[in-house]
Amino acid sequence: AQSVAQPEDQVNVAEGNPLTVKCTYSVSGNPYLFWYVQYPNRGLQFLLKYITGDNLVKGSYGFEAEFNKSQTSFHLKKPSALVSDSALYFCAVRDRSGGYNKLIFGAGTRLAVHP
Amino acid sequence: DTGVSQDPRHKITKRGQNVTFRCDPISEHNRLYWYRQTLGQGPEFLTYFQNEAQLEKSRLLSDRFSAERPKGSFSTLEIQRTEQGDSAMYLCALRGGTEGTDTQYFGPGTRLTVL
Repeated sequence: AQSVAQPEDQVNVAEGNPLTVKCTYSVSGNPYLFWYVQYPNRGLQFLLKYITGDNLVKGSYGFEAEFNKSQTSFHLKKPSALVSDSALYFCAVRDRSGGYNKLIFGAGTRLAVHP
Repeated sequence: DTGVSQDPRHKITKRGQNVTFRCDPISEHNRLYWYRQTLGQGPEFLTYFQNEAQLEKSRLLSDRFSAERPKGSFSTLEIQRTEQGDSAMYLCALRGGTEGTDTQYFGPGTRLTVL
């Protein structure tokens, strides 16, 4: 079965410091991996994805993610956090078992950036 | 703007009542998904439409749930005889767009509260 784990419920970081939100995955075959962000009472907003190619993927709002096949990880990173980055972050993997590319999400990590 | 609207944004109902939610793609998209997100969890797949055909349904979609996409454009999700456990955010997503055919774009969701 394909799955995604986000080991941290919450990550706290000071504004201006680098941030990392962790994600590990378990899939059969080549993974298609995604990061989404959710602000209060809003839907999910796409940040970035890894399909193939460079292991370092750049996305929206200065976020990037590093794909590591040996560690089965896809951690989200940003060099300098902003207070406005405070939100709920979800890692997801494409599930092709049914043939229709639904997404399997982690439980989410709440990022709190303090001034 | 993710290209998909959902209505209503919030719905409060009493246990045992029927509710219907609507998802409207702004432009033509043939691939449409419904997900459910309960408090503290990531979204979970409910069902998938390709045009008007419902091609995959999750085991989460009990017989009290029904989804339609009659003309391959907007979609509706109906819950009959609601239960308190149905309280959740219901999210509609479209696949495909400027970021490629693999990416899903989510609407703002409908938050259902069953009293």
